Formats: sequence, C-alpha cells, structure tokens
Amino acid sequence: EVQLLESGGGLVQPGGSLSLSCVASGFTFSSYAMTWVRQAPGKGLEWVSAISGSGGDTYYTNSVKGRFSLYRDNSKNTLNLQMNSLRAEDTAVYYCAREGSWWELPIWGQGTLVAVSS
Amino acid sequence: QSALTQPASVSGSPGQSITISCTGTSSDVGSYNLVSWYQQLPGKAPKLIIYEVNKRPSGVFDRFSASKSGNTASLTISGLQAEDEADYYCCSYAGSSTYYVFGTGTKVTFL
Repeated sequence: EVQLLESGGGLVQPGGSLSLSCVASGFTFSSYAMTWVRQAPGKGLEWVSAISGSGGDTYYTNSVKGRFSLYRDNSKNTLNLQMNSLRAEDTAVYYCAREGSWWELPIWGQGTLVAVSS
Repeated sequence: QSALTQPASVSGSPGQSITISCTGTSSDVGSYNLVSWYQQLPGKAPKLIIYEVNKRPSGVFDRFSASKSGNTASLTISGLQAEDEADYYCCSYAGSSTYYVFGTGTKVTFL
C-alpha cells in the first residue's frame, strides 16, 4: 500500500525550530518529487516547499525562503523539512504529498500539527 | 503569488448539479493545462479528484467533471450527493519559481 506518514509536529515558541519528517512506503521513493502543503486552522491549503526525486532541486514559497530547508534521504525513504525562525503564522497542519506526472498530488499523508506560540 | 479565486461557498439540492469556478492569471491557470482539484472532508487530508484540467483518477466517480477556459478552471458535480458535502480546492502549477498555487477553497453544502 502506498503510504506517507508525517511526524515531528508539536508546540514551539516563536523564533524556535522544528524538524518534520515524512516516511514513504509502497513505492519507489526516489522516482518522485515530493511536496509539503500546509493548512492553518480554519484556512485553505498553501503550498510550502517541493523537492525533486534526486533531491538536487528544491523550491520554496516566498514566506519561508531562508527559514525552511527541505531535503530527502532516498536510502531511508524519508523527507525532512527543517523549520527555523518559526512565526505564529507558520501554525498549521503540515501535509507531505507525492507529486504525479502532471503536477498533481495523488498521495497525501495524514498531516502533522505545528503550533507556534509563547 | 496570490491564491486562485474560488467562491467561498456553493449550495445545491440533492441530485442537482453545481459548478465551482477557479480564477487565476495568465501566469498560472492560463499558462498551464496542469490544474488539479481536491476534495477535503472535515479533519481529513485532501483527496485528488481531477488532474490535468479534466482527468479523473481511477476510483473517482464520473459525477465529477472539470474544464478550463482562459484563466478560469471549473469543477462540476452532477447529481449532488450527501457525501459530496466537503471543501474543494483547485490548484495550478505556476512555473518553477512559484511552483504551485492553490485556490481559496469552496465549501459545498446542501440547501
């Protein structure tokens, strides 16, 4: 079964750091680009960051550039989002998702909640 | 990059057809036939229901159809059913610098 499982969410103070992980199973991880999408409480979906299958190319939405870093370990089927200098507006459920051939997102994890508050 | 514009809510009666619009710009929806649509039930992860403007993944009912004209994409749900009550989001690829742009989301409810 194709599956994505996120972990690492929690409560962190403004200015703090958190690392999210997404473990993939059921498919050849290195063959797919991966993406993080977040959803603030009661709000819509927002794309955060993406990475190519090899890990050589990364992309970030403007609001997280310079603060978030996305990398992957294809030997461990793991995607990692390192989030630094966190702000209250980063509070959201963070989903990892597998990209498809036409930039669709057919596979999603269950999400992990990040709360930034003092 | 601004979010794609969707109506906040659309209502319909069981069995009726409804259409959700998704308006972007010439930099996203208008430039790429890479629009996808997602259904999100409360407390759940989004589910892909349309990709590449009008294609349905296997297992998605043919009550869901979609199209695009210029900078606006549309999702139509025919024969509205109880289980269709959910939030719906469009999404467009927007080039390597912006990557993805999501819509503002539409809540579908019964009248």
